[in-house]
Amino acid sequence: QQQVKQSPQSLIVQKGGISIINCAYENTAFDYFPWYQQFPGKGPALLIAIRPDVSEKKEGRFTISFNKSAKQFSLHIMDSQPGDSATYFCAASMKRNTPLVFGKGTRLSVIA
Amino acid sequence: DTAVSQTPKYLVTQMGNDKSIKCEQNLGHDTMYWYKQDSKKFLKIMFSYNNKELIINETVPNRFSPKSPDKAHLNLHINSLELGDSAVYFCASSLRIGTSGGAKAADTQYFGPGTRLTVL
Repeated sequence: QQQVKQSPQSLIVQKGGISIINCAYENTAFDYFPWYQQFPGKGPALLIAIRPDVSEKKEGRFTISFNKSAKQFSLHIMDSQPGDSATYFCAASMKRNTPLVFGKGTRLSVIA
Repeated sequence: DTAVSQTPKYLVTQMGNDKSIKCEQNLGHDTMYWYKQDSKKFLKIMFSYNNKELIINETVPNRFSPKSPDKAHLNLHINSLELGDSAVYFCASSLRIGTSGGAKAADTQYFGPGTRLTVL
């Protein structure tokens, strides 16, 4: 049973374009939704996170959109750059400092 | 100034052997985790420790035994290694006590660089 479903599995975007990755969750007890970025050979690193009391959070080129009623959230990367090429994971947890439940990841390639 | 460190980075061993992976964090965090990333890059929690006490143990074979000598360290010992144990193992840490700064500051889990275990 996969509690967090992520799509697409892979994504190719032109430089300067918008990258969009979607996630859906099942457990309504989740109240923390981070996105992690992972480069080859490295550990995941937090990119941006949101709680369900807001519908959107923006940090630089990265925006999370959150739809509580639909139990969905998405990551938008504006003006995508080749340096953004990495694997992105959405995740969720039920309360502070509990283990994260991860989506299966999206491999993003930004081409010039 | 590494926040979460793991040793070794690579571990190649034969089936049936016993091995350990070490993890240390210098962030002053009180909660530490072990995650397993399989060949398809799926990340899954194995263990969660708070203040040296095991608080979550997902469905993991008892060949895996975490040990936390103090709040800054969480080691993973694996007995009788099997082919299916080949994966990348990540240690992570976070702070349980509430802090200011919104969602990101209070819940951020910091991951180590990973240990790639290959069982032959």
